[in-house]
Amino acid sequence: NAGVTQTPKFQVLKTGQSMTLQCAQDMNHNSMYWYRQDPGMGLRLIYYSASEGTTDKGEVPNGYNVSRLNKREFSLRLESAAPSQTSVYFCASISQNTGELFFGEGSRLTVL
Amino acid sequence: AQSVTQLGSHVSVSEGALVLLRCNYSSSVPPYLFWYVQYPNQGLQLLLKYTSAATLVKGINGFEAEFKKSETSFHLTKPSAHMSDAAEYFCAVSGNFGNEKLTFGTGTRLTIIP
Repeated sequence: NAGVTQTPKFQVLKTGQSMTLQCAQDMNHNSMYWYRQDPGMGLRLIYYSASEGTTDKGEVPNGYNVSRLNKREFSLRLESAAPSQTSVYFCASISQNTGELFFGEGSRLTVL
Repeated sequence: AQSVTQLGSHVSVSEGALVLLRCNYSSSVPPYLFWYVQYPNQGLQLLLKYTSAATLVKGINGFEAEFKKSETSFHLTKPSAHMSDAAEYFCAVSGNFGNEKLTFGTGTRLTIIP
């Protein structure tokens, strides 16, 4: 059982470059999330998708866009990367039965 | 709206000693409360959750937490620390169950002293 898979695991970008973080879950969950983790700040929600075809802003959406391609996949795009977006990004999905969030292993992004 | 406050960004305990990690919450509706653990270079894993069934909740690896409404607290404890407990711990709150976004605390890094 793969759970939540996100790619790439590591990426270095130059300021102004764009990239997309991919996420897929195989647990048939309705809701999916993108968080960023920074030292001393915990996890902050960027965007979430309560169901296929819907997306909503979280706490820190500026500079990001998302796409809920289908029930399995939820991608995060940085159109013009900035050094402030250097962070570790986590994708997650939630079990509607147990309320448990399942996380991917994280994507470490550095913007120079 | 919901929020959580974790007191102490770093906690150190000796191996075999009691572990106590503090979490206080704020919620305008009856809360669902969670503790997650993150080992180095990994994602977060669920330790335990409170969903109003019982105020004392037992989780994996010998951890437990008690929901105290009067104190708006959900502190995490373990009677005897083990070296393998060294990790970062996050408290989280939700106002819904199963399709609502969780709000996380800033985390507590637990160090175990041999």
